[in-house]
Amino acid sequence: GNSVTQMEGPVTLSEEAFLTINCTYTATGYPSLFWYVQYPGEGLQLLLKATKADDKGSNKGFEATYRKETTSFHLEKGSVQVSDSAVYFCALSDRGGSNYKLTFGKGTLLTVNP
Amino acid sequence: NAGVTQTPKFQVLKTGQSMTLQCAQDMNHEYMSWYRQDPGMGLRLIHYSVGAGITDQGEVPNGYNVSRSTTEDFPLRLLSAAPSQTSVYFCASSYSGSPSTDTQYFGPGTRLTVL
Repeated sequence: GNSVTQMEGPVTLSEEAFLTINCTYTATGYPSLFWYVQYPGEGLQLLLKATKADDKGSNKGFEATYRKETTSFHLEKGSVQVSDSAVYFCALSDRGGSNYKLTFGKGTLLTVNP
Repeated sequence: NAGVTQTPKFQVLKTGQSMTLQCAQDMNHEYMSWYRQDPGMGLRLIHYSVGAGITDQGEVPNGYNVSRSTTEDFPLRLLSAAPSQTSVYFCASSYSGSPSTDTQYFGPGTRLTVL
């Protein structure tokens, strides 16, 4: 079955530091890949997505590239801010058939200090 | 446009009690779903619905019941609560249900504790 593995947290950075959160996946076929963000006390929000190999998703300064050869979708940001403190989830969904289900990683807590 | 709303925000139950978690959306979305979030496990799909009158099981459906009588509402019923159902519950909706093409909108969650 499908699965998502993302780096264990928590991750603590200083403001303006570079961020990488690793994510690898196992799936049959060619899934779509997502990063969701959960700010304290809120539900999940879609941060970015990529639906085919070599696509780059980007939003709010965050980027992730769909790497089929390494089955990875690592999240990066060049300069984090305190407001980026949140839990980040990598996820995938199948692209064919009844593809309603999102398979999530365990989440990575990011704390950014001023 | 309120998006996806969930009530209550917090709930404490005793083992064996029943209750209903409410979820509503005002975006005219056909697809709605329920996830539970447990520490160190990410989110897991409980039940989903692709339209009024149609529901199906997700990954972890045991102990939960759903119905979809209107497009707007998708309540989740706990028939006889157990401590293993202590979790944070999220409702989500989207236009078609395909995450590849449609953004899934999540509610703010209900934190449930079963003693």
